[in-house]
Amino acid sequence: QTVVTQEPSFSVSPGGTVTLTCGLSSGSVSTSYYPSWYQQTPGQAPRTLIYSTSTRSSGVPDRFSGSILGNKAALTITGAQADDESDYYCVLYMGSGIWVFGGGTKLTVL
Amino acid sequence: QVQLVESGGGVVQPGGSLRLSCAASGFTFSNYGIHWVRQAPGKGLEWVAFIRNDENNKYYADSVKGRFTISRDSSKKTLYLQMNSLRAEDTAVYYCAKSRGEYGMDVWGQGTTVTVSS
Repeated sequence: QTVVTQEPSFSVSPGGTVTLTCGLSSGSVSTSYYPSWYQQTPGQAPRTLIYSTSTRSSGVPDRFSGSILGNKAALTITGAQADDESDYYCVLYMGSGIWVFGGGTKLTVL
Repeated sequence: QVQLVESGGGVVQPGGSLRLSCAASGFTFSNYGIHWVRQAPGKGLEWVAFIRNDENNKYYADSVKGRFTISRDSSKKTLYLQMNSLRAEDTAVYYCAKSRGEYGMDVWGQGTTVTVSS
């Protein structure tokens, strides 16, 4: 059973930079998993931020960026703002039409 | 603009059935695969099922395989999720999301709530 791992929580100061990661319980995340990232605020539907590792979805500000760092996918927020306080989820494509979400990271901006 | 609107949620007893719908507009429905993703109360997102644009290729999470069936009607631009043998752990908000191929989900609907309870 493949588990996709994310930090349960993270905090960042306004204006600061934070990097959230997305890993595998066994093995390394590469671009072949086509990692994508989603932002969700309470009571709202998810919003797509990043797809195919590093491509920003339409309308997403460039302070959000995606990459592979070591053996994990990463979402970096540069110049964090108060309204970036949200839950962030990654999803990996496992092949054969199967996707697996990470458990999500609750980001606090304070 | 691209829009997805889910419907069909409600309260159902354990062991019961429910069919969710997802009405699409603003894009060529027959060209895109569609996902179902759910979120249990206070929990994270869980991928549930995916159907390719050709309607013949369908994929399911192990947690719903054999109980849920995904289908689509291109003439109605609508996606469906038939849910049978429902369990308490199927209680969740169910979202449909337009596919971006292997790249995951693109545009999301607002969700419909399913509660499985006696």
